[in-house]
Amino acid sequence: TQTVSQSDAHVTVFEGDSVELRCNYSYGGSIYLSWYIQHHGHGLQFLLKYYSGNPVVQGVNGFEAEFSKSDSSFHLRKASVHWSDSAVYFCAVRITGNTGKLIFGLGTTLQVQP
Amino acid sequence: GPKVLQIPSHQIIDMGQMVTLNCDPVSNHLYFYWYKQILGQQMEFLVNFYNGKVMEKSKLFKDQFSVERPDGSYFTLKIQPTALEDSAVYFCASSRDTANSDYTFGSGTRLLVI
Repeated sequence: TQTVSQSDAHVTVFEGDSVELRCNYSYGGSIYLSWYIQHHGHGLQFLLKYYSGNPVVQGVNGFEAEFSKSDSSFHLRKASVHWSDSAVYFCAVRITGNTGKLIFGLGTTLQVQP
Repeated sequence: GPKVLQIPSHQIIDMGQMVTLNCDPVSNHLYFYWYKQILGQQMEFLVNFYNGKVMEKSKLFKDQFSVERPDGSYFTLKIQPTALEDSAVYFCASSRDTANSDYTFGSGTRLLVI
């Protein structure tokens, strides 16, 4: 069974702080990893993805994520958050060769205080 | 960027009635998906659809659910009859393929079965 674990349900930081949102997965085969953001009342927006190559991938709005095979992780980071970054962040796994189904984590709610 | 449109944004329906959720995917996308999100919970895969056929469905995709995309029209999710536990936000997504391309999600249809 493939699982995606986001260990922090809620993270609160101040504007200008750095933040790391954690994602761990369990699957032994070849996968795509991605992060999505969901602002309140809206759908999911794609942030970034990793399949192969440089383990640090850059996304929109200053976000980046780092893949670690040894840790089975794909943590999302941002050096300096803005209040508009307040949202729910979902980590997702897609198994290569399958029908395209995404398996999501439970999400991490990021609250950025002024 | 290109968008996935979902109509309606909200729907309230009596238990036992039929409901149809409509999705207008990105025009050059070939793969279509429905996901279900119960308030505060995980985004869960329901079904995906390609070339007029269901490719994969989850255990959440009950016999009362059906999907179709008649030529040139919406990709629809029909629930007949509805049950109280069908209350959720249903997200439609589309992608160009299942290998490298990103998903585009709609803003969701909030379904309340009473």
